[in-house]
Amino acid sequence: QVQLQESGPGLVRPSETLSLTCTVSRAPITDYYWSWIRQPPGKGLEWLGYMYFTGMINYNPSLKSRVTISVDISKNQMSLRLTSVSAADTAVYYCARARLLHYFDFWGQGALVTVSS
Amino acid sequence: DIVMTQSPDSLAVSLGERATINCRSSQTLFDRSNNKNSLAWYRQKPGQPPKLLIYWASTRESGVPDRFSGSGSGTDFSLTISSLQAEDVAVYYCQQYDSTPLTFGGGTKVEIK
Repeated sequence: QVQLQESGPGLVRPSETLSLTCTVSRAPITDYYWSWIRQPPGKGLEWLGYMYFTGMINYNPSLKSRVTISVDISKNQMSLRLTSVSAADTAVYYCARARLLHYFDFWGQGALVTVSS
Repeated sequence: DIVMTQSPDSLAVSLGERATINCRSSQTLFDRSNNKNSLAWYRQKPGQPPKLLIYWASTRESGVPDRFSGSGSGTDFSLTISSLQAEDVAVYYCQQYDSTPLTFGGGTKVEIK
């Protein structure tokens, strides 16, 4: 069973950069597509982007200028960077496996990131 | 962007009764290249990540109980729980994967009456 685990700071100050890592276990990160999805407290889901280990990346245009997704094959990890954060970026951030770039069949437990001074 | 609209926002159903959730897309999700609709359904229990239930609008994910079924085509879709169980109390989301950005519906909260 594929396992995903998000990790990173739970508190980020406004205007700074949010950084999270997703560690994938029991599946090579090179074999699938991987995504970041977030969910503000009490609200719905927003897709941030997906990546393939070859460097193919697709971002949500609503965040495109602020978001970067990258991969570290040696560590079987994917990373997310979101710059110039504000309170609106407070959310639970999930990493998920995207089956054929379509739907998401495995999810991490999520990491709550709060943007506050 | 394709906008996904779910209805109702919430519903309360008695245990063992049927629950139906609707999802409408702003553009057709029917793919003529494979004759399939690019729509998935998820269940999210409190404090947990979403769990994939249905993809291609009506294909049940492995291990998902057969009380869950998906239907619809084009722009109008439904998720039906044929006999509601206590563990089905959750928020349900539809998601389109016809085009990027991938988008989700606003969610439907299912409770026990």
